[in-house]
Amino acid sequence: GAVVSQHPSRVICKSGTSVKIECRSLDFQATTMFWYRQFPKQSLMLMATSNEGSKATYEQGVEKDKFLINHASLTLSTLTVTSAHPEDSSFYICSAEDSVRNQPQHFGDGTRLSIL
Amino acid sequence: GENVEQHPSTLSVQEGDSAVIKCTYSDSASNYFPWYKQELGKRPQLIIDIRSNVGEKKDQRIAVTLNKTAKHFSLHITETQPEDSAVYFCAASKGSSASKIIFGSGTRLSIRP
Repeated sequence: GAVVSQHPSRVICKSGTSVKIECRSLDFQATTMFWYRQFPKQSLMLMATSNEGSKATYEQGVEKDKFLINHASLTLSTLTVTSAHPEDSSFYICSAEDSVRNQPQHFGDGTRLSIL
Repeated sequence: GENVEQHPSTLSVQEGDSAVIKCTYSDSASNYFPWYKQELGKRPQLIIDIRSNVGEKKDQRIAVTLNKTAKHFSLHITETQPEDSAVYFCAASKGSSASKIIFGSGTRLSIRP
């Protein structure tokens, strides 16, 4: 079963809306989670590394004021796409690593965001 | 930072034949190389991985080889089946806790019946 839960799975909203996506580790604690974006027929591009209790680390070219990340607990990271526009429409996927059990990163099911 | 290149971008093979996908990486500090299979609209699924202290790893019809000197690694699928049709991604990571994974560009594999 899924060990990383991502919600919602699908969002359709109007331009200018802010959208929050949640990523939860279900049976392990994750001090670090990762957020990826995947455009159609392209690869997963790392957007940022979410660190529990501290600021996220953003990849080059990713606007931190546009994509707000909060990692307030060891099992939850949220990504908020602020004032979303059609070009933000994409598949957003989170992942988390169970560092205690030294297992590979587990991916969430992804969120398909469509901005009209 | 790390850069992972993958080819081919598309690959079509006859059912029962073998498929090979190749990747190169740039950061010599990378030491963990996972391979993912992604079906349309789904999350990537880890199918096999290899660490830099190993040159080859096999799991049934799937094998991965690593040449750390040349910074090359490859995925081999033997006796391909229709259900192997998907997009495959190679990736590289430094492998320590909280290390980010950098993905290749992907290979769309189609198995012809």
